[in-house]
Amino acid sequence: GESVGLHLPTLSVQEGDNSIINCAYSNSASDYFIWYKQESGKGPQFIIDIRSNMDKRQGQRVTVLLNKTVKHLSLQIAATQPGDSAVYFCAETDQAGTALIFGKGTTLSVSS
Amino acid sequence: ETGVTQTPRHLVMGMTNKKSLKCEQHLGHNAMYWYKQSAKKPLELMFVYNFKEQTENNSVPSRFSPECPNSSHLFLHLHTLQPEDSALYLCASSQDRTGAKNIQYFGAGTRLSVL
Repeated sequence: GESVGLHLPTLSVQEGDNSIINCAYSNSASDYFIWYKQESGKGPQFIIDIRSNMDKRQGQRVTVLLNKTVKHLSLQIAATQPGDSAVYFCAETDQAGTALIFGKGTTLSVSS
Repeated sequence: ETGVTQTPRHLVMGMTNKKSLKCEQHLGHNAMYWYKQSAKKPLELMFVYNFKEQTENNSVPSRFSPECPNSSHLFLHLHTLQPEDSALYLCASSQDRTGAKNIQYFGAGTRLSVL
């Protein structure tokens, strides 16, 4: 069946370091991928998205990489700050392309 | 502020109570969603409404009853819940159901505890 997973449930980094959060997906027909950030006491917040016809997309301090060959998605955060501490989810569209399937999440902890 | 407002933020109810969760979006979106978020589990999609019509019901028990009176409001009516229904219930909306228009914007959730 369809599933989206993350390689590591937790990631701890020092402030100023670059963070890389990984996600493996199983649906090779997925056309669209999204990264969300969920801070404590809040709902998931959209960070960045990427279409399947792209390999890389950059935002402000964030970069998403898509490797369709191995069905791998990653989120890179440059110069990680304490405010980046949160749970990060990847999501992919389902086979119908109308729903999002979410992974379990990686908890990013940033220490000063 | 995401443009999606959920009330109440916290709810404690007994198994015989009836309560409702409310969601309102101010984004002009056409699709609205209910998700259940339990500890250490992925987000579970419960219901989807598109243009006020329910398009998905992911095998959700009948003790959860959604209502969508218009494109801006979504309710989740609860009755005779079980302790295992305790979770964070998230509402989301999206412009549409395809491609980039499927980017979903979430409310802060209702933390539900069933005693």
